[in-house]
Amino acid sequence: QVHLMESGGGVVQPGRSLRLSCAVSGFSFNYYAMHWVRQAPGKGLEWVAGISYDSSSHFSADPVRGRFSISRDNSNNTLYLQMNTLRPDDTAIYFCARVGNIQLWGHLDSWGPGVQVTVSS
Amino acid sequence: SYVLTQSPSVSVAPGKTADITCGGDNLETQSVNWYKQRPGQAPVMVIYSDSDRPSGIPERFTGSKSGITATLTINRVEAGDEADYYCQVWDSSSLGVFGSGTRVTVL
Repeated sequence: QVHLMESGGGVVQPGRSLRLSCAVSGFSFNYYAMHWVRQAPGKGLEWVAGISYDSSSHFSADPVRGRFSISRDNSNNTLYLQMNTLRPDDTAIYFCARVGNIQLWGHLDSWGPGVQVTVSS
Repeated sequence: SYVLTQSPSVSVAPGKTADITCGGDNLETQSVNWYKQRPGQAPVMVIYSDSDRPSGIPERFTGSKSGITATLTINRVEAGDEADYYCQVWDSSSLGVFGSGTRVTVL
């Protein structure tokens, strides 16, 4: 059974850093592209970043480019999101999601439950 | 940046049909995915590649597209269908794009 679980969230001051992890099980992690999607309080879904199955390609959304970086460790079945220079508008629930086919830009067929990140002084 | 437009809300009586639309420039060339999200829960994919339904999703959920408008149709609506629904595409310039979401209320 496919399982994704995020961790590493919490309350952090503006300007500080945080690293999110997404541990997966139940499938061959090294065959699938992965993405991070976030949801600010009371708002809709927002794509954050994506990475190919072999880490050869990775992209991020304009609001986080240069501050956030996505990476993965296929030997440990874990996806990461390094978040630097955090701002209050980064406050959101962060979800990791698996692409349902071999493409980087495919449908997101499995999601973790999400982890809360709050940026506040 | 690329924008997907959804109506904010749709209300439907149990047993009736709900149509949720999603519009965007050049959508006819894009592959549209749809996600359902209930309060406090993670999104669940209900339609991918315009009209394909993943295993475990009831046949009552169908997707279609005509020109620049994609439609998610929920037939024989049930109380459990009450949720927010988001369309999504991958755009060459904006990359990941979600619609603003449509809240479906079952009367």
